[in-house]
Amino acid sequence: EIVMTQSPATLSVSPGERATLSCRASQSVSSNLAWYQQKPGQAPRLLIYGASTRATGIPARFSGSGSGTEFTLTISSLQSEDFAVYYCQQYNNWPPELTFGGGTKVEIK
Amino acid sequence: QVQLVESGGGVVQPGGSLRLSCAASGFTFSSYGMHWVRQAPGKGLEWVAFIRYDGSNKYYADSVKGRFTISRDNSKNTLYLQMNSLRAEDTAVYYCAKDFGRPSSVTLYFDYWGQGTLVTVSS
Repeated sequence: EIVMTQSPATLSVSPGERATLSCRASQSVSSNLAWYQQKPGQAPRLLIYGASTRATGIPARFSGSGSGTEFTLTISSLQSEDFAVYYCQQYNNWPPELTFGGGTKVEIK
Repeated sequence: QVQLVESGGGVVQPGGSLRLSCAASGFTFSSYGMHWVRQAPGKGLEWVAFIRYDGSNKYYADSVKGRFTISRDNSKNTLYLQMNSLRAEDTAVYYCAKDFGRPSSVTLYFDYWGQGTLVTVSS
């Protein structure tokens, strides 16, 4: 099983500041990585797939980068609606053994 | 617009069974693979199972293999998860999620999610 590790567990950021979230895979997943945002009491929402492609309707302040084992989600200027938990997910295996990171909570500083 | 509505959750004793349903609308259900993903209270996300658009292939997480069965009825636009031999560690909100991508293809990430149904396994 590919283990996904996210850091930090919690990130305290002021509105308008930049947030950088990390995701590391225990083995290479190429660019087969997605990012999701989840707010309390809501289902996750797809932000990024293919490591760097924004999903439909996702603002340009969200960007993804990386390949292999190291990935980053950057939120360039945090808005109030961006405070949430963010998960990375790898989808590199076939047959599928899809795995998520443990999440990074972005909270207001 | 795409809608996924789960139902069937509840409280069940260890060793018991439960069947979850997910009613889909707003897209051509029979053209897309579907997943179940769960989230234990206060915890992260765990993929559970995937079924191809035509039901021809099914895949499971090791933690549920042999106990859970994913299925679909394309005539009813409905996805199912039959859960047997339930354990306390199966307690979670269960989400159904649509596989992203072109019809009849497989991408293994999720572009639409339902709101989830809570399953509690407790005596």
